[in-house]
Amino acid sequence: DFQMTQSPSSLSASVGDRVTITCRASQTISSHLNWYQQRPGKAPEVLIYAASALQGGVPSRFSGSGSGTDFTLTINSLQPEDFATYYCQQTYTTPWTFGQGTTVDI
Amino acid sequence: QVQLRQWGAGLLKPSETLSLTCAVYGASFSDYYWTWIRQSPGKGLEWIGEVNHSGTTHSNKSLRSRVTMSVDTSTSQFSLKLNSVTAADTALYYCARGQSSLWGSEYHYYMDVWGKGTTVIVSS
Repeated sequence: DFQMTQSPSSLSASVGDRVTITCRASQTISSHLNWYQQRPGKAPEVLIYAASALQGGVPSRFSGSGSGTDFTLTINSLQPEDFATYYCQQTYTTPWTFGQGTTVDI
Repeated sequence: QVQLRQWGAGLLKPSETLSLTCAVYGASFSDYYWTWIRQSPGKGLEWIGEVNHSGTTHSNKSLRSRVTMSVDTSTSQFSLKLNSVTAADTALYYCARGQSSLWGSEYHYYMDVWGKGTTVIVSS
């Protein structure tokens, strides 16, 4: 299985900060990388697919980059509703696998 | 607006069979793969498998021997059965829609609509 490793596992930030989360795949996955946001008590929601494509309705302060094995999710000007846990997922080959998550809190 | 509503038994004893169903509203049932994912503190998010309208399935080999997925196209519902459950199967189970979108020159796959989740606890 392809292992997905996120860093950091958690981070503290303030409203208005720029936040960067990284995800590394154990093998190359081209750009078949998705990012999800999960708020407490809610299901995950897709933010970014194909490493850099913004899902409809997602604010433009979210952006993704990378290809191969190294990927980044950036949140510009962090808003109160962005305090949540973020997961990367590879859909290059089954079983689709997720990173362990990065919690962004105050 | 696409919605997935899921239900099933939340408390099981070891060796019993987990059974969950997810109903699809507001989307063409035949155009997508329909997915099951679970989340536990120990294993994080784990893809269980997916099924399409014709009953074609793909499943995680770690669970394949215990998993059955099926569809009922007349009601736009899909179901998951996981037999011989143990405490390790205790988790929050989600159904989701698998979406395929063209970006650049390739199609990319992701889960774009999720159910609210069903908590399943396995305990004697």
